[in-house]
Amino acid sequence: EAGVAQSPRYKIIEKRQSVAFWCNPISGHATLYWYQQILGQGPKLLIQFQNNGVVDDSQLPKDRFSAERLKGVDSTLKIQPAKLEDSAVYLCASSPTTGPGNQPQHFGDGTRLSIL
Amino acid sequence: DQQVKQNSPSLSVQEGRISILNCDYTNSMFDYFLWYKKYPAEGPTFLISISSIKDKNEDGRFTVFLNKSAKHLSLHIVPSQPGDSAVYFCAASPGAQKLVFGQGTRLTINP
Repeated sequence: EAGVAQSPRYKIIEKRQSVAFWCNPISGHATLYWYQQILGQGPKLLIQFQNNGVVDDSQLPKDRFSAERLKGVDSTLKIQPAKLEDSAVYLCASSPTTGPGNQPQHFGDGTRLSIL
Repeated sequence: DQQVKQNSPSLSVQEGRISILNCDYTNSMFDYFLWYKKYPAEGPTFLISISSIKDKNEDGRFTVFLNKSAKHLSLHIVPSQPGDSAVYFCAASPGAQKLVFGQGTRLTINP
């Protein structure tokens, strides 16, 4: 089966600019996650969707970050305006069920964002 | 507040020997634990998991041990192979699907 697809792979922008990332999960996976991985740290959950509804966005900086998952399939994550501390790899993951005890999350290769 | 900790940033092991990666957690509500492996420029790949009702889970060369009283888990790889060189992340979940990751341990297998 095809894996989680993310684009772009790399993005370089200046601070205060906006940027958007796209994710296409594994076909049939109802749950979609966006993670932020800062260099030297583990991934940190930003937002979780179940179909097209938000399950958890408690760690999403809502003043600058937004995400949507229209039609319960693809998702976009946007940052506006970007800050220097947003430099990180943004990972998208999907799973077929709501519990990791049933199925693990499958990750895409991520988008590496550099803020100048 | 780091709820999942991997205190060894790096580990070097000779090919054929055992690799032991450690992970500590603080949240008693965690009841599911996973190990992910990550190569450079790729996303994390699921390796093995364990439920809190077990203390050991084995899959080929990989075994995960869970000590709930010590809030400690470990991943054993035996025998270690050059392809095992990667960053390994420990992750934990409090019953729902939200994963909390450790900082990762970079494993290098030397020939």
